[in-house]
Amino acid sequence: GNSVTQMEGPVTLSEEAFLTINCTYTATGYPSLFWYVQYPGEGLQLLLKATKADDKGSNKGFEATYRKETTSFHLEKGSVQVSDSAVYFCALSGSARQLTFGSGTQLTVLP
Amino acid sequence: NAGVTQTPKFRVLKTGQSMTLLCAQDMNHEYMYWYRQDPGMGLRLIHYSVGEGTTAKGEVPDGYNVSRLKKQNFLLGLESAAPSQTSVYFCASSYSTSGGSVKSSYNEQFFGPGTRLTVL
Repeated sequence: GNSVTQMEGPVTLSEEAFLTINCTYTATGYPSLFWYVQYPGEGLQLLLKATKADDKGSNKGFEATYRKETTSFHLEKGSVQVSDSAVYFCALSGSARQLTFGSGTQLTVLP
Repeated sequence: NAGVTQTPKFRVLKTGQSMTLLCAQDMNHEYMYWYRQDPGMGLRLIHYSVGEGTTAKGEVPDGYNVSRLKKQNFLLGLESAAPSQTSVYFCASSYSTSGGSVKSSYNEQFFGPGTRLTVL
């Protein structure tokens, strides 16, 4: 079955630091890949997505590239802000139109 | 538009009690989902629905039932609550992809704010 393995947290960074959160997946077929973000006390929001190999998803300064050869979809941001503090989830959507989530990575950005 | 709403926001139950969680969406989405979120485990799919009157099991369906009598509502029921069902429950909805292609799987899911359930 499908699975997503995500870098364990928590991750604590200073403002303006570079962020990488690793995500690898196992899936049959050609899944679409997503990063969702959950701010404290809220539901999940889609941050970015990629639907085929070599696609790059981007939003709010975050980027992730769909790497089929390494089955990875790592999240990066060049300069994090305090407002980026949240839990980040990597997910994939397979042919059954269901999302499989990673365990989530808590990010805290200090001023 | 309110998006996806969930009621209640919090609930405490005793073992063996029953309750129903309500999810409502005003985006005319075909698909609706119920997940549970537990520490260190991400979100796991309980049940889902691809249209009014249809439901299907997800990854962790045991102990839960669902109904989709109206397109905009998706109910999650616990008939006899157990401490293992203490969790945060999230509802989500999405549009159906066009073209009928099985491969068209990239449908963004819109999430509600969650219901925190404690079973004592």
